[in-house]
Amino acid sequence: EDKVVQSPLSLVVHEGDTVTLNCSYEVTNFRSLLWYKQEKKAPTFLFMLTSSGIEKKSGRLSSILDKKELFSILNITATQTGDSAIYLCAVASHNFNKFYFGSGTKLNVKP
Amino acid sequence: EAGVAQSPRYKIIEKRQSVAFWCNPISGHATLYWYQQILGQGPKLLIQFQNNGVVDDSQLPKDRFSAERLKGVDSTLKIQPAKLEDSAVYLCASSRDRAEGQYFGPGTRLTVT
Repeated sequence: EDKVVQSPLSLVVHEGDTVTLNCSYEVTNFRSLLWYKQEKKAPTFLFMLTSSGIEKKSGRLSSILDKKELFSILNITATQTGDSAIYLCAVASHNFNKFYFGSGTKLNVKP
Repeated sequence: EAGVAQSPRYKIIEKRQSVAFWCNPISGHATLYWYQQILGQGPKLLIQFQNNGVVDDSQLPKDRFSAERLKGVDSTLKIQPAKLEDSAVYLCASSRDRAEGQYFGPGTRLTVT
């Protein structure tokens, strides 16, 4: 059965801390891994990773994929209260016909 | 650029009733997705359209759920009859290409009593 597992389930940090969120997957016919940030309702797209070992970076956020060990990490440096959200990991498979989401990591950044 | 539009935003119905949700994707986006997100879980893909054709509907409960995108633009998702376990947020998303990130609408929160 295809699955995406995220850890930790929730995390509480203080502003300025650095956090690492994990996503592991067991999905046949893997194509890409995607990260989303979900505040309130609608997830917003952060990154798409297709190749191993190539870091994607956007401001204080960065992510990398390891296709051999079947996992990805999302790093957030110098966290701010605005980073508080649920971070979702998704895997695209079968030529982008199927998408599997993890349950998310709930990040709470305290002032 | 206008985002993905969905309506209604909230809906409360009794079990065995029917309900329909509407989605208008970002202009020019060929791919449209419907997801079901139950509280505390990640979104579950119900159906993916490429223009007006179905790419994948393997997780759509076809005995009660149906979806269409007749003109390859906006889409409707219907549930008939609804069950208590259908209570969830229904998210619509679109992308310019299937190999790109998806843009999500605000969702419709459905409560079945």
